[in-house]
Amino acid sequence: QKEVEQNSGPLSVPEGAIASLNCTYSDRGSQSFFWYRQYSGKSPELIMFIYSNGDKEDGRFTAQLNKASQYVSLLIRDSQPSDSATYLCAVGVQGGSEKLVFGKGTKLTVNP
Amino acid sequence: DTEVTQTPKHLVMGMTNKKSLKCEQHMGHRAMYWYKQKAKKPPELMFVYSYEKLSINESVPSRFSPECPNSSLLNLHLHALQPEDSALYLCASSQTGAEAFFGQGTRLTVV
Repeated sequence: QKEVEQNSGPLSVPEGAIASLNCTYSDRGSQSFFWYRQYSGKSPELIMFIYSNGDKEDGRFTAQLNKASQYVSLLIRDSQPSDSATYLCAVGVQGGSEKLVFGKGTKLTVNP
Repeated sequence: DTEVTQTPKHLVMGMTNKKSLKCEQHMGHRAMYWYKQKAKKPPELMFVYSYEKLSINESVPSRFSPECPNSSLLNLHLHALQPEDSALYLCASSQTGAEAFFGQGTRLTVV
């Protein structure tokens, strides 16, 4: 059973702070890693993907991948109230067509 | 353009009804997916179509029947559903089979 684990939170940070979201995965063969943001009542929105070890930055978001430790993280700098959402970590696993296995999500609240 | 369009946005159906959910993408993506999401849970994969052929069925009950008429369209036919099937049904598409872009979903209520 391929699993993706996230701290379910909730995680609460003040406006302007750095929010750190973490994820571990069980399948050592996984090659692709994604972060989705989901606002309440809406569908998931892809915000970051990473395939190689190290850091990948896009605006206020940084994804970090450590395949040896089977660990993925998402940092959100200068957090804004509009970042308040559930963040889903997803890992691509091979199953005929590649499919995504999702973690349970971390609910982030950014307080003004 | 990463738009995946789903219709209808909301659907209420009785347990004896037959209805269909529709999904359309014009990004030339080779893979299309149906996911089911219950409240406060992550999306659960139901079906994957790759190049218009069903490649993954995650042991979904036969009251859910997928169809891929062409590379841009994906349908989910519903028949004899149960109240516990009420959920947000999400369609997604992907070119690489990895980065999946989701539609806005159909919120289904079975009464």
